[in-house]
Amino acid sequence: DAGVIQSPRHEVTEMGQEVTLRCKPISGHDYLFWYRQTMMRGLELLIYFNNNVPIDDSGMPEDRFSAKMPNASFSTLKIQPSEPRDSAVYFCASSSKLTAGGNTIYFGEGSWLTVV
Amino acid sequence: AQKVTQAQTEISVVEKEDVTLDCVYETRDTTYYLFWYKQPPSGELVFLIRRNSFDEQNEISGRYSWNFQKSTSSFNFTITASQVVDSAVYFCALSEAGTGANNLFFGTGTRLTVIP
Repeated sequence: DAGVIQSPRHEVTEMGQEVTLRCKPISGHDYLFWYRQTMMRGLELLIYFNNNVPIDDSGMPEDRFSAKMPNASFSTLKIQPSEPRDSAVYFCASSSKLTAGGNTIYFGEGSWLTVV
Repeated sequence: AQKVTQAQTEISVVEKEDVTLDCVYETRDTTYYLFWYKQPPSGELVFLIRRNSFDEQNEISGRYSWNFQKSTSSFNFTITASQVVDSAVYFCALSEAGTGANNLFFGTGTRLTVIP
């Protein structure tokens, strides 16, 4: 079975440029998450969607970040304009609500972003 | 407040030794979920196990075992007869039913190095 698919795997961009990260969740999953991993802050939730609707975006650092989920099989995380402090690994993840409660969240391989 | 504490930043063991990774959590929810994820050098986050707060049974999966003790708020992970392929960063995580069980609070991770 295909897991969560992210692209690009690696991106190096110049400060001020727009960056778009893409994600295809596991088929049938109705929750999609964007996490960021940095040395300073570890793994932190940026935003999550349920049935394509953003539910909690309180982790989005600032207005330069935006995320969309136009359909059940695709999401984007956009940074515009990018800054060096945005350099991090961005993980997309997905899950489905289990009947027993609680979600097991499956992660993609991550998009490694470097802003120079 | 730190919800998940992994006090061991780095551990090195010689191949075939057993090793235990500690995880202590904090929550006021009576229903919560505990997870372990593995992040190998390639960078992806691999789901290992999920445990519900109402199920304190320990679990064994091959060389991996998990000890969940609510009395000490701990969810420790033991690798028996470690192998070089076990070298990775291991993250313990918590989600709480009170927040919809959709936000994973990660510990800071334990880097395990298995020396051949």
